[in-house]
Amino acid sequence: AQKITQTQPGMFVQEKEAVTLDCTYDTSDPSYGLFWYKQPSSGEMIFLIYQGSYDQQNATEGRYSLNFQKARKSANLVISASQLGDSAMYFCAMRGLSGGSYIPTFGRGTSLIVHP
Amino acid sequence: DTEVTQTPKHLVMGMTNKKSLKCEQHMGHRAMYWYKQKAKKPPELMFVYSYEKLSINESVPSRFSPECPNSSLLNLHLHALQPEDSALYLCASSQVRPGQGAHEQYFGPGTRLTVT
Repeated sequence: AQKITQTQPGMFVQEKEAVTLDCTYDTSDPSYGLFWYKQPSSGEMIFLIYQGSYDQQNATEGRYSLNFQKARKSANLVISASQLGDSAMYFCAMRGLSGGSYIPTFGRGTSLIVHP
Repeated sequence: DTEVTQTPKHLVMGMTNKKSLKCEQHMGHRAMYWYKQKAKKPPELMFVYSYEKLSINESVPSRFSPECPNSSLLNLHLHALQPEDSALYLCASSQVRPGQGAHEQYFGPGTRLTVT
């Protein structure tokens, strides 16, 4: 079985500052993928960034970077230069093999509020 | 084009009604998903279709009936729902790469369902 843990229910950050959202995972599958999604109050889940278990380098997409520490089983999201529009729920998710099928597992989410 | 569309955006239905939610994608993705999401919670996987075949049913009550008429369309037929079924219903799609399983999911904007 696979498990994703997000221990921060809520985070606050000042505009233009960087923020790190924590995510740890557990799986017995050697091949897995880790994802971060943003969900604004409008409801749509927006894919942000992906890290494969065999990727040697940390993934980056614009202001988003994924701090992947495989030995610690952590995949923290770093948002640099926060903007007011970054205020949203953020979900860490993992794609792994479960019962013969690849299924995604989501963490409980972190609510990020960016202050002006 | 990374768009997944869902109709309707909002739906209010009585417990004796029959309605359908629709989802469409034109990204050539061969995996499509239905999720149910309650406020402030992560999405809960309901169904997965892979190559137009139902591959995962997460013990969803039979009052929810999925259908995948072709590789671009996914429907969710609703009948005799309960008030606790009120939620945001999200559709998603993803590529399926042989030997690697599904990759990042692209979500639609969701249908906000209220059962009265």
